[in-house]
Amino acid sequence: QVQLVQSGAEVKKPGASVKLSCKTSGYPFTTFYIHWVRQAPGQGLEWMGIFSPSVGTTSYAQNFQGRVTMTGDTSTSTVYMELSSLRSEDTAVYYCARRSPLVGDFDYWGQGTVVTVSS
Amino acid sequence: QAVVTQEPSLTVSPGGTVTLTCGSSTGPVTSGHYPYWFQQKPGQAPRTLIYDTSNKHSWTPARFSGSLLGGKAALTLSGAQPDDEADYYCLLSYSGARVFGTGTKVTVL
Repeated sequence: QVQLVQSGAEVKKPGASVKLSCKTSGYPFTTFYIHWVRQAPGQGLEWMGIFSPSVGTTSYAQNFQGRVTMTGDTSTSTVYMELSSLRSEDTAVYYCARRSPLVGDFDYWGQGTVVTVSS
Repeated sequence: QAVVTQEPSLTVSPGGTVTLTCGSSTGPVTSGHYPYWFQQKPGQAPRTLIYDTSNKHSWTPARFSGSLLGGKAALTLSGAQPDDEADYYCLLSYSGARVFGTGTKVTVL
């Protein structure tokens, strides 16, 4: 069955970087794009960008341009999202979600990774 | 960046009907915005209910339906159940960039 399993919780200091992983299984890795979405405590959802595992192309939300990098490893069917220059406002749950060519965006979601940014 | 606006909160009686809306700061919402609707319960990842305005996933209860209404995207819940109490988010696409709505907290009471 389709699974997106995300890496464990992270605690980072302001100014540092964090690299999260989203390990996929149960489907052809290169066929489906992966989105990243975050949710600050008590707040709404925020789209961060999308990554194509087949060609490695990305499209980032304007709010994250210059700070986010999405990459993939076809050998392990894993997508990564690195966010740099962390600040307290980046404290959030980060989700990966799949885009299906048949039923569109966000058909399957990862369980989320908690990132805490604190000095 | 566009701002996507939803009602902050709505209350519906068990068995009743409620309609949530999703508006865009750039003008009327159309099918070209490919509206999505998500349900999120506390401590859980979101779950996609509706894609491309009105299409349902296999797991979407029949009581949920999506449409365009008065220049906005709309999610209608007919025959509300206590289990439908949750936060609901819409999402619109702007030439590939996605923007989530502000979210609606639905209470079944």
